[in-house]
Amino acid sequence: KNQVEQSPQSLIILEGKNCTLQCNYTVSPFSNLRWYKQDTGRGPVSLTIMTFSENTKSNGRYTATLDADTKQSSLHITASQLSDSASYICVVSAYSSASKIIFGSGTRLSIRP
Amino acid sequence: DAGITQSPRHKVTETGTPVTLRCHQTENHRYMYWYRQDPGHGLRLIHYSYGVKDTDKGEVSDGYSVSRSKTEDFLLTLESATSSQTSVYFCATQQAIAPPELQYFGPGTRLTVL
Repeated sequence: KNQVEQSPQSLIILEGKNCTLQCNYTVSPFSNLRWYKQDTGRGPVSLTIMTFSENTKSNGRYTATLDADTKQSSLHITASQLSDSASYICVVSAYSSASKIIFGSGTRLSIRP
Repeated sequence: DAGITQSPRHKVTETGTPVTLRCHQTENHRYMYWYRQDPGHGLRLIHYSYGVKDTDKGEVSDGYSVSRSKTEDFLLTLESATSSQTSVYFCATQQAIAPPELQYFGPGTRLTVL
């Protein structure tokens, strides 16, 4: 069964601290993995996209890693800011499929001043 | 931002009434999607389109139909709304799947069925 599991479900950290979010998947055949940020009441916004040949991708203070062998990804946020408070969603797509796009349930991140 | 708008943004309706949600894009993307998002679930695919008049079902398509008569518009219809269809609905677009490109999401429509 194609699944994407994220951990933790929720996380609270102090402003300025770093954090890492995890994503494990079983989608096959693998095409790409994306991380999205979703602010409350808004649509998801893309942070990174990685194919199987890429093992790291950065977007400002966001760095995603991918281990295609173990089927794991992480999203590292450096020097967190209050505006980073959001849900972070891991999404895995199957190869050459327009519909097999599996979404994780997300990690709810709260940044405290 | 791929220039995606959804209308209406909020709607309250009664059980048994028909409802149509509209998604409009200005980027000429080939693929368009309708998802629903519910607490405790990831986004779930309702229907998608891979071109004008070309549509297919997703994992939660029961009770929904779609139409795409123009590249820029993708309509989602609930023929007879039920309380279980209370949700937030997101439209998304994507230019290509091979090589993979990003999906862009609209702002969402919050639908309440009483």
